[in-house]
Amino acid sequence: ILNVEQSPQSLHVQEGDSTNFTCSFPSSNFYALHWYRWETAKSPEALFVMTLNGDEKKKGRISATLNTKEGYSYLYIKGSQPEDSATYLCAFDRDDKIIFGKGTRLHILP
Amino acid sequence: ETGVTQTPRHLVMGMTNKKSLKCEQHLGHNAMYWYKQSAKKPLELMFVYNFKEQTENNSVPSRFSPECPNSSHLFLHLHTLQPEDSALYLCASSQEVAGGPTGELFFGEGSRLTVL
Repeated sequence: ILNVEQSPQSLHVQEGDSTNFTCSFPSSNFYALHWYRWETAKSPEALFVMTLNGDEKKKGRISATLNTKEGYSYLYIKGSQPEDSATYLCAFDRDDKIIFGKGTRLHILP
Repeated sequence: ETGVTQTPRHLVMGMTNKKSLKCEQHLGHNAMYWYKQSAKKPLELMFVYNFKEQTENNSVPSRFSPECPNSSHLFLHLHTLQPEDSALYLCASSQEVAGGPTGELFFGEGSRLTVL
């Protein structure tokens, strides 16, 4: 059984603060690690697709790192804004399927 | 607007009904997917079509029947469903390269299904 674990399950962050959360995945048969943002009543939207150990990617205030040998990825949000409130999903791409975690639900407090 | 359109957005059906969910992508992608989102569970992959060929059937009950007539359209035919099949059904598409990692998934907004 393959598990993709995300922590924490839910997170409340004061507007302006920075935060980060974790995705852990099996370290074998690795093809890629995806991060998605899913806002309420919208469709999940890709943030990053990462393939190489040590990858670091950045999009605006959001960045992610990847460690394929130990099987984890971190997502960082700098200077949280209300529009960052969403569920953040990571997905582990093996050679035959993509497996999603349950997500981290982020609430930005005004 | 992600370029992936799903209809209907909401569907209520009885256990003896037959209905279909439709997905259309305008991105020129060669792979399409059906995912199921149940409460408090991760997104579950149901079916994958690469180049119009079904390459993945994730042990889905036969009361769900996919159809991919061309690379832009994907259907999920539903018949004799159970109340526990009530969920959000998401369609996605991606551009795949043979032997490479799965490309970025582009999702529709989903079809919310309620089975009475």
